[in-house]
Amino acid sequence: DAGVTQSPTHLIKTRGQQVTLRCSPKSGHDTVSWYQQALGQGPQFIFQYYEEEERQRGNFPDRFSGHQFPNYSSELNVNALLLGDSALYLCASSPAPRGSYNEQFFGPGTRLTVL
Amino acid sequence: SQQGEEDPQALSIQEGENATMNCSYKTSINNLQWYRQNSGRGLVHLILIRSNEREKHSGRLRVTLDTSKKSSSLLITASRAADTASYFCATDHPGRRALTFGSGTRLQVQP
Repeated sequence: DAGVTQSPTHLIKTRGQQVTLRCSPKSGHDTVSWYQQALGQGPQFIFQYYEEEERQRGNFPDRFSGHQFPNYSSELNVNALLLGDSALYLCASSPAPRGSYNEQFFGPGTRLTVL
Repeated sequence: SQQGEEDPQALSIQEGENATMNCSYKTSINNLQWYRQNSGRGLVHLILIRSNEREKHSGRLRVTLDTSKKSSSLLITASRAADTASYFCATDHPGRRALTFGSGTRLQVQP
């Protein structure tokens, strides 16, 4: 049973460029969340996708956008990259939110470096 | 902004000793979860404790939750060098789909 997978593992971009990160959720999960983790900090919530729609969004600008496909996989797109976008981007999957149980399973992350 | 705060920020102990990390949060929760992260890699889920639970065990891990004080603690007993990692608490709040993470405790276990 495959866990959450992310690609690529590492990515180097220059300021102003655009990047797309990909995530495949754990088998049986239909909800995908994206987090940004700066060096030495805890993860910060970017947004969550369920039924191919963005369900909730954190405090991130519109340069950050996403998509969820019918097979539940997801993409995170970041436009007009800034140096401050350098971080580890984590994808987490979970079953559809039910009651008070919201356990999220994380992938290994994509390390993005913006030069 | 990060709501949870872990204490201490860093902890160094000898193998075999116990390690205790604390987490505080500000608003009501559905549950609180602890995660582990090795050297900037992905997060590994350790344990989840619901708001109506006070204590939970999993192997060498013991988690307590005090909702009146809005705090939780993670105890790792008989630590091993392999326990060296960063540990994060994450809170799940009513009406929110996101987990809110603290800034983490960096644990170093000396062999």
